[in-house]
Formats: sequence, structure tokens, C-alpha cells
Amino acid sequence: KNEVEQSPQNLTAQEGEFITINCSYSVGISALHWLQQHPGGGIVSLFMLSSGKKKHGRLIATINIQEKHSSLHITASHPRDSAVYICAVSLSYGGSQGNLIFGKGTKLSVKP
Amino acid sequence: DSGVTQTPKHLITATGQRVTLRCSPRSGDLSVYWYQQSLDQGLQFLIQYYNGEERAKGNILERFSAQQFPDLHSELNLSSLELGDSALYFCASTPEGTNYGYTFGSGTRLTVV
Repeated sequence: KNEVEQSPQNLTAQEGEFITINCSYSVGISALHWLQQHPGGGIVSLFMLSSGKKKHGRLIATINIQEKHSSLHITASHPRDSAVYICAVSLSYGGSQGNLIFGKGTKLSVKP
Repeated sequence: DSGVTQTPKHLITATGQRVTLRCSPRSGDLSVYWYQQSLDQGLQFLIQYYNGEERAKGNILERFSAQQFPDLHSELNLSSLELGDSALYFCASTPEGTNYGYTFGSGTRLTVV
């Protein structure tokens, strides 16, 4: 079993729809990260959170530490949101502290 | 431009060869991380340097090595290349070793033929 699981693997939505991507993890973490990777390959860090909720524009990220679960929401989705969204966790112990373990990503396609 | 610079952007080389990938971290960042992204394995952590010293190792092969120089730029050396080493190699930097947002470079796409 992977230490970081994302669902769904693929997601197709119509423009304007509300989108949710889920991430579950099984290890002790110091922080959880949501990353965006466009088809060109570059990776952009969207959020880093260790508790609660963060919002940036149309993007909202939440985390429940007790349940070891995080969600990324996109409101009023747009074709330019089409990308792979990757959940990653920073481990909280020993020499691995600060290093990232990645989920396999969710490929989002938003149709006009 | 994220502030993290990786060169070259693309690299094509033959099996058995050696290549060097370069990363300049965002100004002021002391930590550099290297990651490999392949189609079958996804993103994997390779190695971390902090202010010139190796801090942590992940799934890095013995054929691979890295270093961070006094000006904080880092190089990842890949030797005796195999077809399976073809991947995207990213570096990222953070201000300190833990719990800070990561800034990623645009990656180096390595193709081994």
C-alpha cells in the first residue's frame, strides 16, 4: 500500500463545475503539500498546510490530521485548471524530516 | 520563473554515458532537493543538501551522486546510464531544511537511448 493515496486518478469536468480531489496518508507528517503540474512538466506548489484550511483564489485546501486526510477543491473550474494535481507529505521523523513522499497524482481535464 | 534554475532543459545521451544536471536554488534558500519523475514510479525523492552538506538520502542509485557547492548551486551526476534512467529530474529549494514551502525548478528531461 502506498503511503500517500489520491483519488480519483482521472477526473473530467465541465467548465464551471466544483471539483474535489482527495488525499489520504498513512505516515506521520509535519506538513502536506498540494502541487500542480501542467502538461509542459513544470511543478508549482499550490499549498502547504499542517492544519485547518487555506484558500487562494478559486482553490481551497483542507486537512484533517486525525483522519489523515486532505482535500483540494476547485470552485468554478476553468479549462486552464487542466493539469495533474499531486499530493505530497513531509515526513515528521528522523533524518527524513522535510523530504517529500508523493501521491501518484490526479489528472484533471476541464472541458469548455 | 520560479527562481529555481535547472539546466539543461533537455538532454539526450547514450547508454553507459555520464551526465551532470545543474540546479541553482532560489536566492537565499539553503536546502536543495533532487527528485526523479518517471512514468512508472511517479515522483521520488533522491537526495537533499543543506548549506553544502548532505542531509538525507532517498531512492538514489549508487550510480548517481550529488553535491552542493559553496555558492549553494547543486549538481546531480548520473553515470553508467541505462534506458530506465530516462525521466524528468526536478530540483526544489527551501529556505531551511524543514516545513517550508518548496519552490521547484522546471526540470531536466533526460532521454537515454
